[in-house]
Amino acid sequence: KQEVTQIPAALSVPEGENLVLNCSFTDSAIYNLQWFRQDPGKGLTSLLLIQSSQREQTSGRLNASLDKSSGRSTLYIAASQPGDSATYLCAGGEAAGNKLTFGGGTRVLVKP
Amino acid sequence: SQTIHQWPATLVQPVGSPLSLECTVEGTSNPNLYWYRQAAGRGLQLLFYSVGIGQISSEVPQNLSASRPQDRQFILSSKKLLLSDSGFYLCAWRYTSDTGELFFGEGSRLTVL
Repeated sequence: KQEVTQIPAALSVPEGENLVLNCSFTDSAIYNLQWFRQDPGKGLTSLLLIQSSQREQTSGRLNASLDKSSGRSTLYIAASQPGDSATYLCAGGEAAGNKLTFGGGTRVLVKP
Repeated sequence: SQTIHQWPATLVQPVGSPLSLECTVEGTSNPNLYWYRQAAGRGLQLLFYSVGIGQISSEVPQNLSASRPQDRQFILSSKKLLLSDSGFYLCAWRYTSDTGELFFGEGSRLTVL
């Protein structure tokens, strides 16, 4: 059974600093890995999706990497801004393609 | 473009009352549909998913049920709510033959008193 862990649970950085968010998973037969952002009281917004055959994906200031052998994915957010404050969740997809296992999330605060 | 709608956004219900949360997707056909629950301190839990009309898979035994009466409509129901049913319910969809990116609705906050 896939287990996904995100450490730390909370993170605070000054504006302008680069953010590094970690996600680890137990089953290397992962189908894909998706990163989401969640603002308080809101739904999840998809940020990046990495297929199992890919090593990384980029979108603007965001870059996500995937290392199946070590069971890790990392989300980098360059030059953080106060608007980046949110909870970030990662989720691993099973080979069957119909289930995502979510991590507990990392709550990020970017201080002006 | 595709959009997903959930309602109601907020709901306060007494224990033992029924529940109906509705989710619809626009701009696509034959999506895979999902209901998740996010409870405080417990992360996101998959409750049900559906790959087609009338096809429902349940992930966790519970007090809830789901139905898909139309291609782009997904309903979460309960006949009698429990206190433990309180939480944030999220509907999601994705293409059946795509790379698997999952898209979420805005969520429905349920408080059972």
